[in-house]
Amino acid sequence: QLQLQESGPGLVKPSETLSLTCTVSGGSINNSNYYWDWIRQPPGRGLEWIGGVYYRGSTYYKPSLKSRVTISVDTSKNQFSLKLNSVTAADTAVYYCARRYVIWSGAHFDYWGQGTPVTVSS
Amino acid sequence: SSELTQDPAVSVALGQTVRIACQGDSLRSYFASWYQQKPGQPPVLVIYGKNNRPSGIPDRFSGSSSGNTASLTITGAQAEDEADYYCNSRDSSGNHPVEFGGGTKLTVL
Repeated sequence: QLQLQESGPGLVKPSETLSLTCTVSGGSINNSNYYWDWIRQPPGRGLEWIGGVYYRGSTYYKPSLKSRVTISVDTSKNQFSLKLNSVTAADTAVYYCARRYVIWSGAHFDYWGQGTPVTVSS
Repeated sequence: SSELTQDPAVSVALGQTVRIACQGDSLRSYFASWYQQKPGQPPVLVIYGKNNRPSGIPDRFSGSSSGNTASLTITGAQAEDEADYYCNSRDSSGNHPVEFGGGTKLTVL
């Protein structure tokens, strides 16, 4: 059974960089059928797609976050990572990593991590 | 703001049928996927593709699509179906590959 687990600091100071890692177990990131994404959910609000990475390293970002986001993949460790710089209180959220399957007719997220809460506060 | 539109809240009597809708231009090109999220838990995929259910999802959940609208139908809603439901689709505008609807809070009365 595939499992995804987020890890990283739960508290980040304003203007600093949020860094999270997602470790994939029970399967390989080296799979041409899937993308590996980050999604967040601010308290009491809906899901927001941040961006994703393909195992070969190509990346895709939400346009409004693109200037602050870097997503990378380390296939040797079966991990992918998120860096979000210049954070503000608006970046406070539960951050999820998830696997996305993409075909010609659509896409879906079939596996999700449990989520990790991140608070931006001094 | 989301380019997939969902009603913020819907209610259904126990055992009755409810339809949750998702509207957006991308749905003219791509199927939606649907996720159930209960408080404090990650989303769970319930419908994807034309009308596919992952293993373990009850068959009272079904999906359909017409024009720019996708729908999730729960036939015979149960108390445990009370949750937030999100639709998701590939984005056809070229801005980014993925978008989510704003979510629908389903209350089972």
